[in-house]
Amino acid sequence: SQQGEEDPQALSIQEGENATMNCSYKTSINNLQWYRQNSGRGLVHLILIRSNEREKHSGRLRVTLDTSKKSSSLLITASRAADTASYFCVNSGGSNYKLTFGKGTLLTVNP
Amino acid sequence: GAGVSQTPSNKVTEKGKYVELRCDPISGHTALYWYRQSLGQGPEFLIYFQGTGAADDSGLPNDRFFAVRPEGSVSTLKIQRTERGDSAVYLCASSPNPTLLGDTQYFGPGTRLTVL
Repeated sequence: SQQGEEDPQALSIQEGENATMNCSYKTSINNLQWYRQNSGRGLVHLILIRSNEREKHSGRLRVTLDTSKKSSSLLITASRAADTASYFCVNSGGSNYKLTFGKGTLLTVNP
Repeated sequence: GAGVSQTPSNKVTEKGKYVELRCDPISGHTALYWYRQSLGQGPEFLIYFQGTGAADDSGLPNDRFFAVRPEGSVSTLKIQRTERGDSAVYLCASSPNPTLLGDTQYFGPGTRLTVL
């Protein structure tokens, strides 16, 4: 299965703290993507990291990829209440189009 | 610019009825995707269109589900003889060129289908 598994299933932090979410997968990747889903903006692509990359930054987001361990992590620094959402890692595997989602991590940032 | 739009936003129907869900992709995007998301789960792939043709419909759960994209733009997901288990949020996404590695998919707000 190309499905990624996010860990933890739920995470609750205070505003201003950092949040780290992990993702493990079983198959090879072409690229690994992180998506966010909340009631306000729906499902939104956050960042993509390719199999030959180890770390990538975008604003307050930092993604790492360890292909030997088949794992990725998403770090959100200086969290805000608006970061409250479900976060999904998506391993495209051998497919360029079929995204396989796990159950996600539900992040709650308390003001 | 305009994103992916889906109509209706909510649809309540009775078991056994027929429903159509519409998706308007981002203009110029050749690829269109349908996903289904049940409560507490991530989205599940249903079907992928490249232009007018269904390039991969392996995610459709059974023959009650059918989707079309006759002019390579708007797509309609059709569900016949709806069952209570069909209740879910149906998401549509589009992308410019899925043959490129890492082509981002842009999702619509979804249609929440409730079958009573």
